[in-house]
Amino acid sequence: NAGVTQTPKFQVLKTGQSMTLQCAQDMNHNSMYWYRQDPGMGLRLIYYSASEGTTDKGEVPNGYNVSRLNKREFSLRLESAAPSQTSVYFCASSEALAGGANTGELFFGEGSRLTVL
Amino acid sequence: AQKVTQAQTEISVVEKEDVTLDCVYETRDTTYYLFWYKQPPSGELVFLIRRNSFDEQNEISGRYSWNFQKSTSSFNFTITASQVVDSAVYFCALEGAQKLVFGQGTRLTINP
Repeated sequence: NAGVTQTPKFQVLKTGQSMTLQCAQDMNHNSMYWYRQDPGMGLRLIYYSASEGTTDKGEVPNGYNVSRLNKREFSLRLESAAPSQTSVYFCASSEALAGGANTGELFFGEGSRLTVL
Repeated sequence: AQKVTQAQTEISVVEKEDVTLDCVYETRDTTYYLFWYKQPPSGELVFLIRRNSFDEQNEISGRYSWNFQKSTSSFNFTITASQVVDSAVYFCALEGAQKLVFGQGTRLTINP
């Protein structure tokens, strides 16, 4: 019962370094998401993918890129990390209803804590 | 644009008290879903409820109840007879156009 798996769980980067957060789900969900969680800010949507082959920007996409590699995997890349990107990152997936609407019940990974020095 | 506001940043009550967490939302969609999620100290996010915009009936699940009022764009969450295990951050969320937008969260502390 893996659900949504994120790697790595912890990472420390220096300013300017790049890295990719990996996410995979085994529930055959169409929609996948990347959120960041910061104190007092709640969860903010970075990017999402409503279906394989599509990606769209969320509230805070600047400084990030994503790839929906296949239906299972959705990666988040920081090309040049900045201290403002220090956060906890959550990947999530959701089942799509018939007609393309989303059930909205997100299944979350355990989170990845990223620190940029 | 969609927006969810949880004006209560932190709430602290004594065990067995009732507590209500407020959620106000903005959307131009006619069809949308509203949610509550719980994030306990361990950090994972736990789905609590989903409510369709066409269903304004209140819902009760054990000690939890939800009051959805379209007229005031609110979807409030009440915990009756609170317990220490209810201590967590609670997020209200709004879904439309295939994405979920969260409020800032309310940190609820239940003191023994």
